Amino acid sequence: EDKVVQSPLSLVVHEGDTVTLNCSYEVTNFRSLLWYKQEKKAPTFLFMLTSSGIEKKSGRLSSILDKKELFSILNITATQTGDSAIYLCAVELWDNFNKFYFGSGTKLNVKP
Amino acid sequence: DAGITQSPRHKVTETGTPVTLRCHQTENHRYMYWYRQDPGHGLRLIHYSYGVKDTDKGEVSDGYSVSRSKTEDFLLTLESATSSQTSVYFCAISDGTEKETQYFGPGTRLLVL
Repeated sequence: EDKVVQSPLSLVVHEGDTVTLNCSYEVTNFRSLLWYKQEKKAPTFLFMLTSSGIEKKSGRLSSILDKKELFSILNITATQTGDSAIYLCAVELWDNFNKFYFGSGTKLNVKP
Repeated sequence: DAGITQSPRHKVTETGTPVTLRCHQTENHRYMYWYRQDPGHGLRLIHYSYGVKDTDKGEVSDGYSVSRSKTEDFLLTLESATSSQTSVYFCAISDGTEKETQYFGPGTRLLVL
């Protein structure tokens, strides 16, 4: 059975800290891994990763994929209170149909 | 932002009543999805569609049905709502290509009393 597991489930840090969020997966017909940020509304897209070892970066956020060990990490440096959100990892599958499986998310709380 | 709207945005209903949620897209994307989101469960796929009149079940499809008579519209129906269906429902779209990701609608908050 396909599954996506995120850890930790929740995390409390202080502004300026660096955090690492984890996502492991066991799926067939893997196409890509996606990271989303969700505040009190719909998830918004952060990164799409398809190749191992190539870091994607956007400001203070970065992510990398390891297709051999089947995991990805999302790093946030110099955290700010505006980074407080749920971070969702999803795996895109392709087996005649385009499907996505989501992990349960990591809830990040950044305190001033 | 991708052109996806959902209606209604909020709904309160009673157990046993039918409910239909609508998702409308202006992107002409082939794939459309309905998810529900509950605390501790992330996003769980209810049903998805890979074309007009082509739909299939996701991981939590019991109690739900869908229809897609036009490319732009994907309807989710709760035939007889139950309190366990209280949730936030998100519609999403994708074009199925390798370079494009999945985009989400704004969500519908449903409360079944």
